[in-house]
Amino acid sequence: GNSVTQMEGPVTLSEEAFLTINCTYTATGYPSLFWYVQYPGEGLQLLLKATKADDKGSNKGFEATYRKETTSFHLEKGSVQVSDSAVYFCALPSTGRRALTFGSGTRLQVQP
Amino acid sequence: DVKVTQSSRYLVKRTGEKVFLECVQDMDHENMFWYRQDPGLGLRLIYFSYDVKMKEKGDIPEGYSVSREKKERFSLILESASTNQTSMYLCASSLGPQGNQPQHFGDGTRLSIL
Repeated sequence: GNSVTQMEGPVTLSEEAFLTINCTYTATGYPSLFWYVQYPGEGLQLLLKATKADDKGSNKGFEATYRKETTSFHLEKGSVQVSDSAVYFCALPSTGRRALTFGSGTRLQVQP
Repeated sequence: DVKVTQSSRYLVKRTGEKVFLECVQDMDHENMFWYRQDPGLGLRLIYFSYDVKMKEKGDIPEGYSVSREKKERFSLILESASTNQTSMYLCASSLGPQGNQPQHFGDGTRLSIL
């Protein structure tokens, strides 16, 4: 079935550094792909999504491009802030049911 | 905006108790989900429901049951709580039958079983 693998954390960066969090997927066809963010003490929020190959999702300065050639959906941000400290999850639709399959999450810590 | 509300942020119960976790969504979504979140394991799907009185097992249903008597409410039940059910529980909802719908999450219930 569909699955997703994302880089392990934690990722520690200084403020204004460039961020990449890797996500690769295995799927039948070309499903929608999602990035979610979980701030401390909160549930998950949808950060961005892409619905077809070569689509770029973007939100709050974050971007991710759906690349079918490399089956990847890496999350990037040009200049991180302390407020971006959170756990980031890559996700895609589960096989055969109305649910999403999530990666294990990557914790990002941004230091001032 | 979609609002998914979980009844408790923190809950402490004892081994063997029957525990109810409640979740309500206000956007007439068809689908509702219960996940548990544990460090290093990400989110694991316990149960989901795509209609009133309909339910399907997720990946880790053992020790849990669910109830969906009204479209807006989805309850998770721990029949006889055990210490290995100490976890963060997240409820989510999504709109319709397409599997590629984004999910909207509540803030979670951190449950401790003593």
